[in-house]
Amino acid sequence: EVQLVESGGGLIQPGGSLRLSCAASGFIFSSEYMTWVRQAPGKGLEWVSVIYSGGSTYYADSVKGRFTISRDNSKNTLYLQMNSLRAEDTAVYYCARDGPGGRIDYWGQGTLVTVSS
Amino acid sequence: EIVMTQSPATLSVSPGERATLSCRASQSVSNNLAWYQQKPGQAPRLLIYGASTRATGIPARFSGSGSGTEFTLTVSSLQSEDFAVYYCQQYNKWPPYTFGQGTKLESK
Repeated sequence: EVQLVESGGGLIQPGGSLRLSCAASGFIFSSEYMTWVRQAPGKGLEWVSVIYSGGSTYYADSVKGRFTISRDNSKNTLYLQMNSLRAEDTAVYYCARDGPGGRIDYWGQGTLVTVSS
Repeated sequence: EIVMTQSPATLSVSPGERATLSCRASQSVSNNLAWYQQKPGQAPRLLIYGASTRATGIPARFSGSGSGTEFTLTVSSLQSEDFAVYYCQQYNKWPPYTFGQGTKLESK
């Protein structure tokens, strides 16, 4: 059974940093593309970043230069380092697995990040 | 960036009836279109991919159709557990993946 479990969310002041983690199990983590998607309170889904199995990374314009996605295949863990956080980064952050072609076939339960003074 | 537009924003349908949700892409996405269901406090769940293929475990009352720029998700004979928010997502030209703004399906 595929499981994705996020952690690391919380309350952080504007300008601060936070690192999210996502522990994966039930599949060959190193072979899969992995994605972060966020959802601001009461809003829709926004793609944040993807990391390919080979390590290539891509970001939404809204987070480029501030967020860094990475993976540790030895630990089956995905990360999102978030720096220079802004109020508009407040959201539930979902870790997700990219299925064949780019559809997102499994999602974690999400972790809430609140950026506020 | 491909913009996805869903309509209507809210759809009120009685249990047992059929619901039809629409999704339009700003340019062709071929059949690289997925639908997700999200219930309050839960993560999204993949329903449909490839515009018309049901994901594992998805009931047959959910069906998808369309290609190019126009897509439809149909839920025949609505059950109580089907009332939720539905999102479409294109994965033809990415990154970025882009989602529609969602359609809330509510009980009439």
